This record gives sequence, C-alpha cells and structure tokens, in this order.
Amino acid sequence: EAGVVQSPRYKIIEKKQPVAFWCNPISGHNTLYWYRQNLGQGPELLIRYENEEAVDDSQLPKDRFSAERLKGVDSTLKIQPAELGDSAVYLCASSLEVRVYYEQYFGPGTRLTVT
Amino acid sequence: AQSVTQLGSHVSVSEGALVLLRCNYSSSVPPYLFWYVQYPNQGLQLLLKYTTGATLVKGINGFEAEFKKSETSFHLTKPSAHMSDAAEYFCAVGSSASKIIFGSGTRLSIRP
Repeated sequence: EAGVVQSPRYKIIEKKQPVAFWCNPISGHNTLYWYRQNLGQGPELLIRYENEEAVDDSQLPKDRFSAERLKGVDSTLKIQPAELGDSAVYLCASSLEVRVYYEQYFGPGTRLTVT
Repeated sequence: AQSVTQLGSHVSVSEGALVLLRCNYSSSVPPYLFWYVQYPNQGLQLLLKYTTGATLVKGINGFEAEFKKSETSFHLTKPSAHMSDAAEYFCAVGSSASKIIFGSGTRLSIRP
C-alpha cells in the first residue's frame, strides 16, 4: 500500500514569492491534515479536512495561507507571499476517519526555506 | 485545553541500556495518548497509543508506555536500546475534539 505522498520534498524561495505544496493521501482515507513543524518542535495543525470540507482551519494564517482539497482526495497548501518565518517542514497526514484515535499516517514532508 | 510536556530535549543512552523518555500531559477530559517516532527526513510514524482499557500499552520495535492517571504521565520505555532506535520521539495528546497536540520532541541518541 502506498503511503502519503508529498511534493516537492525541498523548496527554496525568496521572501514575498508564492509557493505551493501538494499531498496525495492514502487511498480511502477521508481525513487529511496539514501540519507545520518548526525546527526543534513538534508538528502544529494548520488545517484538517473531512472529505472536501475544511472542518478545522483555526490555526491557518488566512491572510497568506490557503488550502484546498478538490474531490476529497489530493490537497494543495499555498503560501502567498512567503515570509522568512514560514521556513519550516510542512507535513501532510491522512487517517481513515476523523476520530482522534484513528492512526494518522504522515508523509515525508516538504522542507521550505525562505531567504 | 490540552498540553504535553516532554522532559528532556535530548536523551543519550548506551546500546543495550534502558530507554526512558518522559511525557506529562494536561487534559480536562479523559485523554487519548500517543507516541510517534520521526527518523531523519521522514514523516512521523505511530509507535503506540492509549485509548481506553489496559494502562500498559505495547507498541512496535519493543517499545511500551504506561498511562498513569494519578501522575498525568505517559512515559515511553524500551528495555534494551538498539542503534536503530536513534530518532526524534514525540508524545501527543488527543481528545474527542479530534485534535492532537504534539510535544516538542525528545531526540534519542544511542552510544555504541
């Protein structure tokens, strides 16, 4: 079974430029998560989808971040414009259902460096 | 509100020695508790989880953790460390609100 796929794995951009990250969850997983992991910290939830609906985006900086999950499968996270403080690893995860005790499967992440 | 505190950002043990990674949580409702492991340049992988029932939980790779409600702790142990155990370990707490809060992580190093 294929795991959660993310691309690109690494991205270096200059501040004020836009950037997008793509995630393909495990087949059949209804719930998809985007996390940001700063250096030396644990992941922090940015947004959670149940199918195509964003059910928790309270931690998403909506002035510059946006996300979508068309058709309830793949998802894209965008930052426009990027700031120096956005440098982090962006992790995508998926789970079979939304209830918290269902295991979340994580992708390898996209390491973003903003210069 | 929920929170997780991992005591010690870095733990170093000798190969074959006991591994003990400490985690304390705060939760106003009965918690779900998790340990995840992250190897370099990889995503997180679930080691074990506590939901209900038996307080001693066994996970993959010989790890186990014990839920102690009175101490609000969920420490991770392994009797004998192996070089392949070197990684970052994250404790996490969740609730019926379907949100998981991660600790800041503990980096485990294994000395030959």
